[in-house]
Amino acid sequence: AQKVTQAQTEISVVEKEDVTLDCVYETRDTTYYLFWYKQPPSGELVFLIRRNSFDEQNEISGRYSWNFQKSTSSFNFTITASQVVDSAVYFCALSPAQGGSEKLVFGKGTKLTVNP
Amino acid sequence: EAQVTQNPRYLITVTGKKLTVTCSQNMNHEYMSWYRQDPGLGLRQIYYSMNVEVTDKGDVPEGYKVSRKEKRNFPLILESPSPNQTSLYFCASSLFGRASYNEQFFGPGTRLTVL
Repeated sequence: AQKVTQAQTEISVVEKEDVTLDCVYETRDTTYYLFWYKQPPSGELVFLIRRNSFDEQNEISGRYSWNFQKSTSSFNFTITASQVVDSAVYFCALSPAQGGSEKLVFGKGTKLTVNP
Repeated sequence: EAQVTQNPRYLITVTGKKLTVTCSQNMNHEYMSWYRQDPGLGLRQIYYSMNVEVTDKGDVPEGYKVSRKEKRNFPLILESPSPNQTSLYFCASSLFGRASYNEQFFGPGTRLTVL
C-alpha cells in the first residue's frame, strides 16, 4: 500500500525566510512517481513537479527546489526567500508507475503562511 | 484554453436528493478522476477512469457513482447524498491512462453542502 506523510500541518514564516516542506512516502513498488501540488487560497490545485524514482537528482526551479532521497523515502520541497504569494497549502503525492498506477495518493498537506 | 470545468461550483442540498456534479475536459485526455478534500484528510480519490467505459473505485467510493460515456465527460453522481458527503470535490484529468505518467490537471472544485 502507498502512503504519503506530511508531518508539518502548518508552518508560518516571515517573508524572505527559507522554508522546507517535508514529505515522506511509503511504497513497495520499485518504480513510482512523486508529485508536489500547490493550493493557493483561491482553491485551485496547481501542479509543481513530477519526479520518477530513478531520478534522484535535485531539481531547482527559480526559488523552488526539491530534494529526493530514496534512502530515506523523502521528497522535500524548499522555498528560498519566501514571498507572501507562496502562502498556500502544499500537497505531496505518490503514484506507482505500473500496476495500480491509476491511483494518486496524496498527503494531508502542509499549510504555509508567509507573513510580510 | 485547455481546462477542466466543473458544475456547479457551489451546491447546497438536502439529504437524499439525488445530484450530479459534471466534469468536462477539452484536452482529449484519457484519464479522469474525482477526489474529495476534507480538512485534515487531504485529497482522497473517489473514482477514476482510464478511458471511455473504463472506470474503477478509488479509496473512498461509497455513496458515489460515475460514468464515462464520452471521453471528455466524467460526471459524479450522488444517488442519496448524506451530510458526511459535505466536502470540496475536485475533478482531474491527464493525458494518458495512468495517473503517474504525467501531471493531472484539476478543475476549480465544487463545494457541496448536504443538510
